[in-house]
Amino acid sequence: EVQLVESGGGLVQPGGSLRLSCAASGFTFSSYSMNWVRQAPGKGLEWVSYISSSSSTIYYADSVKGRFTISRDNAKNSLYLQMNSLRAEDTAVYYCARDEYYYDSSQDVWGKGTTVTVSS
Amino acid sequence: DIQMTQSPSSLSASVGDRVTITCQASQDISNYLNWYQQKPGKAPKLLIYDASNLETGVPSRFSGSGSGTDFTFTISSLQPEDIATYYCQQYDNLPPKFTFGPGTKVDIK
Repeated sequence: EVQLVESGGGLVQPGGSLRLSCAASGFTFSSYSMNWVRQAPGKGLEWVSYISSSSSTIYYADSVKGRFTISRDNAKNSLYLQMNSLRAEDTAVYYCARDEYYYDSSQDVWGKGTTVTVSS
Repeated sequence: DIQMTQSPSSLSASVGDRVTITCQASQDISNYLNWYQQKPGKAPKLLIYDASNLETGVPSRFSGSGSGTDFTFTISSLQPEDIATYYCQQYDNLPPKFTFGPGTKVDIK
């Protein structure tokens, strides 16, 4: 079964750091580009970051650029999001999502999400 | 950056009704447009890709159309299990790579 499982969420103070992980299984992880997408409480979906299969191409939303770092370890079938200088507005459910194989043009597999709360 | 708008923001319809949601891009995006369904407390699910292609396993009552700046998502006969929020998403080869619309919440009347 194709599966993505996020972990690492929790409560952190403003200005703090957190590292999210996403464990992939059931498919050849190293062949797929991956994304992080978040959803603030009661709000819509916001794309956060993209990483290509080989990590050669990385993109960030302006709202997290310079504070968040996406990475992957294909040997461990894992995706990561290092989040620094966290703000209250970063409070959200963070989803790990796989891009479709051929054109990286849509997210065809999603995890269940991990919740990040930034509050003092 | 390309901005995406959706209308309506919410709607209420009866079982069996035809439901239509529109999505508009701030500039020409060709057919680089996807539609997702998100049920309460769940992750989003891809329904339509490249404006009009039905994702494998998705019921045929869902459809999409459009190109350029104006797109339409249709549920031909609303079912109770279709209660959800629907998002359009445009994609690009440059950052921001993906942009979601604000969503349309669909309820049963």
